[in-house]
Amino acid sequence: KAGVTQTPRYLIKTRGQQVTLSCSPISGHRSVSWYQQTPGQGLQFLFEYFSETQRNKGNFPGRFSGRQFSNSRSEMNVSTLELGDSALYLCASSLAAGGSEAFFGQGTRLTVV
Amino acid sequence: AQSVTQPDIHITVSEGASLELRCNYSYGATPYLFWYVQSPGQGLQLLLKYFSGDTLVQGIKGFEAEFKRSQSSFNLRKPSVHWSDAAEYFCAVGAPSGYALNFGKGTSLLVTP
Repeated sequence: KAGVTQTPRYLIKTRGQQVTLSCSPISGHRSVSWYQQTPGQGLQFLFEYFSETQRNKGNFPGRFSGRQFSNSRSEMNVSTLELGDSALYLCASSLAAGGSEAFFGQGTRLTVV
Repeated sequence: AQSVTQPDIHITVSEGASLELRCNYSYGATPYLFWYVQSPGQGLQLLLKYFSGDTLVQGIKGFEAEFKRSQSSFNLRKPSVHWSDAAEYFCAVGAPSGYALNFGKGTSLLVTP
């Protein structure tokens, strides 16, 4: 069974631009969660989607948004990028909603210059 | 609210020595508990999980963890560390159909020859 796939692996963007990251979960998994990882803040929860509905959202500004498609693939978008958005963005796939067993992708390393 | 504390930011052990990484949690009921490992620039790999039942759980790569309700702890152990175990280790707490996984700040493991 294929694991969680995140694309692209690396991105360099300029301040003020927007970016879209993609995540394909494990086949059969309907929950996709997104996390931001930085050296200073550690792993912070962004949002969770389950069956195309946003189920929970972390404490991030509205510039961070996401969606999930009918095939469970998910995208997250960050608009008006700031230097502080530079981070590793991790996607996690779960069979069930909420804080259950999660399988992570390799992440997308976003650098904002 | 859930919280997870990993008291040790860095730990150094000699190859072949035993290892114990500490994790304490705060949660109203018995949570789901997880240990993940992350190599540099990579995603998180699930080492083991505790949902209920036997309080000593076995995971991959020779790791085990023990749930102690009275101490609100879920410490990770390995009897003999290999150089390839050098990585960042994260403890996480979750709940069925609850909010997202809540991660500790991580413990960085260095293995010396």
